[in-house]
Amino acid sequence: DQQVKQNSPSLSVQEGRISILNCDYTNSMFDYFLWYKKYPAEGPTFLISISSIKDKNEDGRFTVFLNKSAKHLSLHIVPSQPGDSAVYFCAASDSGGSNYKLTFGKGTLLTVNP
Amino acid sequence: GAVVSQHPSRVICKSGTSVKIECRSLDFQATTMFWYRQFPKKSLMLMATSNEGSKATYEQGVEKDKFLINHASLTLSTLTVTSAHPEDSSFYICSASGGAYYNEQFFGPGTRLTVL
Repeated sequence: DQQVKQNSPSLSVQEGRISILNCDYTNSMFDYFLWYKKYPAEGPTFLISISSIKDKNEDGRFTVFLNKSAKHLSLHIVPSQPGDSAVYFCAASDSGGSNYKLTFGKGTLLTVNP
Repeated sequence: GAVVSQHPSRVICKSGTSVKIECRSLDFQATTMFWYRQFPKKSLMLMATSNEGSKATYEQGVEKDKFLINHASLTLSTLTVTSAHPEDSSFYICSASGGAYYNEQFFGPGTRLTVL
């Protein structure tokens, strides 16, 4: 049972345009959400997070939106740059659970074309 | 953000031997460390969670006698793959959380294990 789903395995956008990466979750206990970026043969790098008490968090070119009623979150990157090309993982945790274990989606490969 | 290192970055070993992978948090005290395995075109699979000074908690389906985890200090955790077989070949990644980073995980660069 996949509790965190990233239904788009890949996304291709033009440099300068907006990239929108989507993530859905099923576990209503999740209350903290994170986005990670991963290059091949490297560990994931933390990008941005959001708590369930908020519906938006912004950091530079990255904005995460959370829709709790729909159990949906999205990562917006604007403007997109070729260096943003990577796999993006959505992750969720239940902060009331033990050790803040993260549950990951399968990732979306973003390609930003020059 | 916090820095987590892993060593070695790559290792090739013969079937039947054991391999130890180290994970270090360089600039914060990691009360909890996590070990993941990534299969090609799949998500990160959590193998186990370890808290400093206590036994690791393994996820269902992960053999604790095969994947030995030690978290003896707040900056170091080790994963030992015992009697490795070709099917253990994978990309192993650790992460750490704790202190001011209690609700986030910072990942190491990963270790590529190839068992011949």
